[in-house]
This record gives sequence, C-alpha cells and structure tokens, in this order.
Amino acid sequence: EIVMTQSPATLSVSPGERATLSCRASQSVSSNLAWYQQKPGQAPRLLIYGASTRATGIPARFSGSGSGTEFTLTISSLQSEDFAVYYCQQYNNWSTFGQGTKVEIK
Amino acid sequence: QVQLVESGGGLVKPGGSLRLSCAASGFTFSDYYMSWIRQAPGKGLEWVSYISSSGSTIYYADSVKGRFTISRDNAKNSLYLQMNSLRAEDTAVYYCARGTYSSGWPLDYWGQGTLVTVSS
Repeated sequence: EIVMTQSPATLSVSPGERATLSCRASQSVSSNLAWYQQKPGQAPRLLIYGASTRATGIPARFSGSGSGTEFTLTISSLQSEDFAVYYCQQYNNWSTFGQGTKVEIK
Repeated sequence: QVQLVESGGGLVKPGGSLRLSCAASGFTFSDYYMSWIRQAPGKGLEWVSYISSSGSTIYYADSVKGRFTISRDNAKNSLYLQMNSLRAEDTAVYYCARGTYSSGWPLDYWGQGTLVTVSS
C-alpha cells in the first residue's frame, strides 16, 4: 500500500497570506494525485487532480504542483472560506489518502 | 446539477448487516465509475470500493474484502453497498462519489454521507 504523508498537520495562517501544504508518497505515484477540501459537517470537494489541474469552478488562487513522490498545494491568498481540512489522494495504485492538513485562522 | 444522496445508514450490532443506497441525478449515471468512501468519526478518508460504469469491474479495499459488496442499477440511477459481518471499526460516515468515464478517480462529486454506527 502506498502511504501518503501530509505536512504540517495544522497550519495557522492569517487571511490574505499564502499557504503551502505538502504531501509525500512512499513510492512514486507519477502525477496521479488529487487534493480535496473538507469543511466541518460537509463532504470533501475536489480541488486539484492530475497533480496540477484545477477542477471545475475552483478559484485560481488554488494551485498544485509536483510529481513522483513530492506534491504541493498552494493557496495564494487565503480567504475566510478556505479555512478547512485538506486531503491529498493518490490514485496510481488503488487509492490512499493522506491524513489531512488543517488550515486554521492565525 | 449533479446530486448524490445516500441513505440506509443507522445503528447495527457487531456481526450485523446493512445496505446503503446512493441515488444519483443530474448526469448520465450509466457513463460513470462510482465509489464508496468512508470517514470514521474525527478521522481521515478511506476508500472502500469502486465499480465501473457497466458494473463489470469491481475493487475493494482489503479492510472490507469478503464482507462488503458494491453494486449498481443503471436503470434506477442507483449505487449500493451491502455490508455484512459489520465490526466496530466499520463505524463511519459513508460517502458515495463519482469517478470518471474510464476510471474510479478522481472523485469530482460527493454525496453528503450517511452515518453507520456499529455498536452493541
């Protein structure tokens, strides 16, 4: 099983600042990597797939990068609605999710 | 618009069974792979199973293999998860989610989930 490790577990950021979230795979997943956002009491929402392609309707402030084993989700200027938990998911070999990064208000 | 609505969750004793349903609307259900994903209380996401658009290809996570059965009825725009021999560790919110035309991933639409609690 491919293990996905996200860091940090919690990220404290002020509105308007940049947030950088990391996701590392235990072996190469090529570009078969997605990012999801989940707010309390809600279902996850797809943000990024193919490591860097924004899903339909996702604002341009969200960007993804990386390939192989190292991936990054960047939120260029945090809005109030962006405070949430973010999960990465590899789908190169079945599917596994990271444990999540909580982005909280500083 | 795309809607996925799960139902069938509830409280069940260890060793018991439950059948979850997911009603789909707003898209051509028979064209898409579908998945079940679960989330234990306060925990992360775990993929459970997926099924191809025709139902001919099915995969399960090792944690549920032999106990859970995924199926679909394209005429009824519905996805199902039959869960047998339930354990306490199966307690979670179960989400159905849509894949793509040719793959289970990524998951671009999710339902709101249904809670399954396994407890005596």
